[in-house]
Amino acid sequence: EPEVTQTPSHQVTQMGQEVILRCVPISNHLYFYWYRQILGQKVEFLVSFYNNEISEKSEIFDDQFSVERPDGSNFTLKIRSTKLEDSAMYFCASSQSRNTIYFGEGSWLTVV
Amino acid sequence: GQQVMQIPQYQHVQEGEDFTTYCNSSTTLSNIQWYKQRPGGHPVFLIQLVKSGEVKKQKRLTFQFGEAKKNSSLHITATQTTDVGTYFCAGPEGGGADGLTFGKGTHLIIQP
Repeated sequence: EPEVTQTPSHQVTQMGQEVILRCVPISNHLYFYWYRQILGQKVEFLVSFYNNEISEKSEIFDDQFSVERPDGSNFTLKIRSTKLEDSAMYFCASSQSRNTIYFGEGSWLTVV
Repeated sequence: GQQVMQIPQYQHVQEGEDFTTYCNSSTTLSNIQWYKQRPGGHPVFLIQLVKSGEVKKQKRLTFQFGEAKKNSSLHITATQTTDVGTYFCAGPEGGGADGLTFGKGTHLIIQP
């Protein structure tokens, strides 16, 4: 079964450093998303991306965050200057029709 | 903003007992989705409900969408140890938005 793949699975970074999380969505999907989940808490929407542009973003997705689809397969989330409170599991997801959303296994970010 | 509330937060059951989790939205939803997240895993799509009063079954799982499209429930009959995990409901952030607002989830713990 097709999967959303994410790298790295775990990253430890110093506060203030830039981090890029990478995702390869399912190949025929058109909608791409980033969600995050702070340990023990609910899944929170960050941003959705369609037709090579951001279609929606949440309040969490401030100027420190950016997304890119640099080529036909990768979808990246960049955090410019990480803060301690950015420590979380970041899930990439994709969907074909905005109905069923397939999540990747996540990238666990630890900011120290 | 839209809020999605789930109860209970935790549910301990003996294997073989039934389990129900309830989801309530502060706004009318165009659809509601249910996800399961195993410990240490990622959310996995279970089902989407669209119609008022809709009931769908998947083997031992029964999903309902309320008549007012503001509440939903997931019922598991005769739980098994493989049912362990957190069950999240999620609805569109607003209108026909792309992003999902997740509930805090119900953690199902099964005692053999």
